[in-house]
Amino acid sequence: DTGVSQDPRHKITKRGQNVTFRCDPISEHNRLYWYRQTLGQGPEFLTYFQNEAQLEKSRLLSDRFSAERPKGSFSTLEIQRTEQGDSAMYLCASSPQTLQGRNNEQFFGPGTRLTVL
Amino acid sequence: AQKVTQAQTEISVVEKEDVTLDCVYETRDTTYYLFWYKQPPSGELVFLIRRNSFDEQNEISGRYSWNFQKSTSSFNFTITASQVVDSAVYFCALSAGRQAAGNKLTFGGGTRVLVKP
Repeated sequence: DTGVSQDPRHKITKRGQNVTFRCDPISEHNRLYWYRQTLGQGPEFLTYFQNEAQLEKSRLLSDRFSAERPKGSFSTLEIQRTEQGDSAMYLCASSPQTLQGRNNEQFFGPGTRLTVL
Repeated sequence: AQKVTQAQTEISVVEKEDVTLDCVYETRDTTYYLFWYKQPPSGELVFLIRRNSFDEQNEISGRYSWNFQKSTSSFNFTITASQVVDSAVYFCALSAGRQAAGNKLTFGGGTRVLVKP
């Protein structure tokens, strides 16, 4: 399977615990994005990487959230001291660097569903 | 800031009927891209179509067609001869600005389509 993969698919944790999610993008894609989707809503942008550089962070990304992409390949998203409001689907997407101004579509992974009790 | 509005929250049709999904967007950028994504019950977002702001030509791709009108800031999407497998949530999304903006997507709230046999 050469699509975007995410691990784990489901995570249940207690309030106050730390959680970490992993995303493996499509191998030749140098851009990687994280989004959060709550029930009944559209995905909301959290952050994005071009290679290993984190180029933009949303105001939604509080200081409890941190994302890394150390070698420009896979990425991790960590949430510290989880709160019940963090319960959501966390989506990862990747895309190739745009060529000739073309805004390439993003390919999404299956998501990690987080439930904070 | 960008904004995408999908006024229809749910549409129910009988198989073989056509379905048109409305999307209205807001952006101050003159360069932007519009997308439609499908999210079936499995949860993974699937890219359907893309259109850039410089090309208002409407096209048909199989059973999908779209109507892009800059004058009304609308990007409507039609499924012709709907099938049960088309049942999903459909999201309209916008990416605006220069390449350096990272092409993050701003999504609408989604329209749930239910196709009954």
